[in-house]
Amino acid sequence: EVQLLESGGGLVQPGGSLKLSCAVSGFTFSSNSMTWARQAAGKGLEWVATIARNSGETWYADSVQGRFTISTDTSKNTLYLQMNSLRVEDTAIYHCVRLLSPYNYFDPWGQGTLVTVSS
Amino acid sequence: DIQMTQSPSSVSASVGDRVTITCRASQDIGNYLAWYQQKPGKAPKLLIYAASSLQNGVPPRFSGSGSGTDFTLTISSLQTEDFATYYCQLADSFPRVTFGRGTRLEIK
Repeated sequence: EVQLLESGGGLVQPGGSLKLSCAVSGFTFSSNSMTWARQAAGKGLEWVATIARNSGETWYADSVQGRFTISTDTSKNTLYLQMNSLRVEDTAIYHCVRLLSPYNYFDPWGQGTLVTVSS
Repeated sequence: DIQMTQSPSSVSASVGDRVTITCRASQDIGNYLAWYQQKPGKAPKLLIYAASSLQNGVPPRFSGSGSGTDFTLTISSLQTEDFATYYCQLADSFPRVTFGRGTRLEIK
């Protein structure tokens, strides 16, 4: 069974940092592109960042470019999201998701980890 | 950037009703569209990919149609467990994706 389990969320002050982790099981991690998406309370879904399966190339939403870094450790089957210079508007549930080609859809989604940025 | 317009933002319906949700893209996206269901406090769940392909395990009362700029998600006969929020996702510009703003399906 494919499973994604996020951790690392919490309360952080504006300007602070946090590193999220996503432990992956049930599929060949290195054969799939992976994505972080987020959802603020009562709001819709927002794509945050993607890392390509083969090249390790990364892409970011404009709202997080230069502040967030997506990475993987294939030996640990783990996806990461390093978040720096956090802002109040980054407050959301962050989901780890597998990106499937060629139609670029997401399945499955992890349950998510809550990040709260507040003073 | 391609814009996605999802409608309606909310709809009330009864068990057994047929419901249709639409997404319109500002440019031709072929069949690069997916649909998700999200229940309160839960992660989104994939229903449809490539505009009309039903994900394994999803009941056949769910169907997707369309190509180009206009897409629909249809639930043929609503069940109690279908009351949720539904999102479309534009997927033609890897890896950047855009989600619709969501449609809340409520019990009438």
